[in-house]
Amino acid sequence: EADIYQTPRYLVIGTGKKITLECSQTMGHDKMYWYQQDPGMELHLIHYSYGVNSTEKGDLSSESTVSRIRTEHFPLTLESARPSHTSQYLCASSELKRGYTFGSGTRLTVV
Amino acid sequence: AQSVTQPDIHITVSEGASLELRCNYSYGATPYLFWYVQSPGQGLQLLLKYFSGDTLVQGIKGFEAEFKRSQSSFNLRKPSVHWSDAAEYFCAVVYPSGGSNYKLTFGKGTLLTVNP
Repeated sequence: EADIYQTPRYLVIGTGKKITLECSQTMGHDKMYWYQQDPGMELHLIHYSYGVNSTEKGDLSSESTVSRIRTEHFPLTLESARPSHTSQYLCASSELKRGYTFGSGTRLTVV
Repeated sequence: AQSVTQPDIHITVSEGASLELRCNYSYGATPYLFWYVQSPGQGLQLLLKYFSGDTLVQGIKGFEAEFKRSQSSFNLRKPSVHWSDAAEYFCAVVYPSGGSNYKLTFGKGTLLTVNP
């Protein structure tokens, strides 16, 4: 049973729409992360959080934003989706240095 | 800057053959090392991890990896590959990003194809 949940699993949306990708974890982890991955490509960190009310930009510049109001919830928002945002978005959480747990991902297609 | 290198983009092996996937890292101190596997369209599953101690670590699905400090390597091995092992494999390293915080850095991945 997954301890970190991402919804939706797949999303096809039109250009200019606002979208929010949900990520929730039940492990009480302080640290959470968003990675972006194009098909067959490497993962790039776009956002991370080390706790409530803490968010930082990752290594890859992204037009998305994140919030961390509750420990278990780390949503990612795109105010105006564009075809260049088409990708897979993976959420992860971790505790200390004991490894990261990943969600199943959201595959976003912007048409 | 710290980095993780997976020299092989794509490897093809026959079912039943042995497998070794290479991973090299660039980091001054002792890193925390991970191997993840990703099936098509899926998230990442942790295969194994190394923090300290015995340099040969056992993971799930019959995988093992050996940490070699002198070579800055953490290669993944499996004695006999099964068709279900076909997937993308990512090596990752944790390096500190300030205080007690840290981030995971991934290699570019190695795609494994298994021939019947």
